[in-house]
Amino acid sequence: DGGITQSPKYLFRKEGQNVTLSCEQNLNHDAMYWYRQDPGQGLRLIYYSQIVNDFQKGDIAEGYSVSREKKESFPLTVTSAQKNPTAFYLCASSIGLGERSLYNEQFFGPGTRLTVL
Amino acid sequence: EDQVTQSPEALRLQEGESSSLNCSYTVSGLRGLFWYRQDPGKGPEFLFTLYSAGEEKEKERLKATLTKKESFLHITAPKPEDSATYLCAGGSYIPTFGRGTSLIVHP
Repeated sequence: DGGITQSPKYLFRKEGQNVTLSCEQNLNHDAMYWYRQDPGQGLRLIYYSQIVNDFQKGDIAEGYSVSREKKESFPLTVTSAQKNPTAFYLCASSIGLGERSLYNEQFFGPGTRLTVL
Repeated sequence: EDQVTQSPEALRLQEGESSSLNCSYTVSGLRGLFWYRQDPGKGPEFLFTLYSAGEEKEKERLKATLTKKESFLHITAPKPEDSATYLCAGGSYIPTFGRGTSLIVHP
């Protein structure tokens, strides 16, 4: 079955630690995204990538880092510089490229809930 | 800056009681308007894409419509299993998401 997987489902972090959230897709999509969702808030874009070895900051990139070494994988690292990391993190992918480029429907993973202790 | 606003924030309906959810947008050069359904603790699930004013799309009890300033998600004779948060997203580059409408349908 094609889809997006995220791991772990739940993650607990101590203050001052870096943690990495995994995102893998087998949809052969070019574009991948990371969002953060807080209660009562919409999805806020952290980073996105249109192609391997290239990525751009979204609206709230401070305190986060990403890599895109493979088309299928787009891991997100939450660094100790992120002041309020407790949130629900969602990874998504879309076909990307072409005339509409980033403007295609997105397919989401099941999410990772990060809690800072 | 693209803005997407959804209303109401929450909506409670009785089973069979039809209603509409609103998504208004301020976007320079809208390239499309998306609707998603999100169940608690899960990722959003894609429902519809609308590209031009006047366009309508349907799926079971849901119908999405688009004007030049807003989109509506009409729910006809809802069932308890339609309970979820409905998100809309639109923009001129990467879609901007609204905060969602939390729908609860009581049996």
